[in-house]
Amino acid sequence: SAVISQKPSRDICQRGTSLTIQCQVDSQVTMMFWYRQQPGQSLTLIATANQGSEATYESGFVIDKFPISRPNLTFSTLTVSNMSPEDSSIYLCSVVGTLPGDTEAFFGQGTRLTVV
Amino acid sequence: LAKTTQPISMDSYEGQEVNITCSHNNIATNDYITWYQQFPSQGPRFIIQGYKTKVTNEVASLFIPADRKSSTLSLPRVSLSDTAVYYCLVSRVYNQGGKLIFGQGTELSVKP
Repeated sequence: SAVISQKPSRDICQRGTSLTIQCQVDSQVTMMFWYRQQPGQSLTLIATANQGSEATYESGFVIDKFPISRPNLTFSTLTVSNMSPEDSSIYLCSVVGTLPGDTEAFFGQGTRLTVV
Repeated sequence: LAKTTQPISMDSYEGQEVNITCSHNNIATNDYITWYQQFPSQGPRFIIQGYKTKVTNEVASLFIPADRKSSTLSLPRVSLSDTAVYYCLVSRVYNQGGKLIFGQGTELSVKP
């Protein structure tokens, strides 16, 4: 299993500013995933963060808006840049199990972002 | 990754068995079927995973027919605390990607 800590748990931000969300895992993982969950909606994958290389973004998400860092195998950050009210969502960090062949994913509690 | 389709919502009463069916017509040979549960203000939580036939754990059962184009999550004797959104996903093994694509999910409401 994996325990994931996300910070902050929630924040209210002014439009035009940026917020960096931190994700800490209690074990080393190769890939970390960032999701967005808009109010009342399902989860949408933003990007895959690989240690030692640039993140891989899904269609509709770009690095300038959601820059990601992955300095080591247990930590990642997601920045939501130049925020607008449309960015108000829950942002979740996830990892897949660390054993070979393990496909169980573990999620952080999420960061609830409100942009005003 | 294969797209999944499941009912948007379901209602049940305490003590009943609930079956949620998911279709995944384009599932690939190396795909697993996984179900997650999400409560409000929490991240999704793994419930059960299977490849074929039937899998059972302390929480639920997962039925997968031979063609693997659908699967059914069975929750025995639900309680009010089972009220949540349930997601059916098709996913690859860790060393082949591990990326999860969530569908719309099924919002289960359990009433007293």
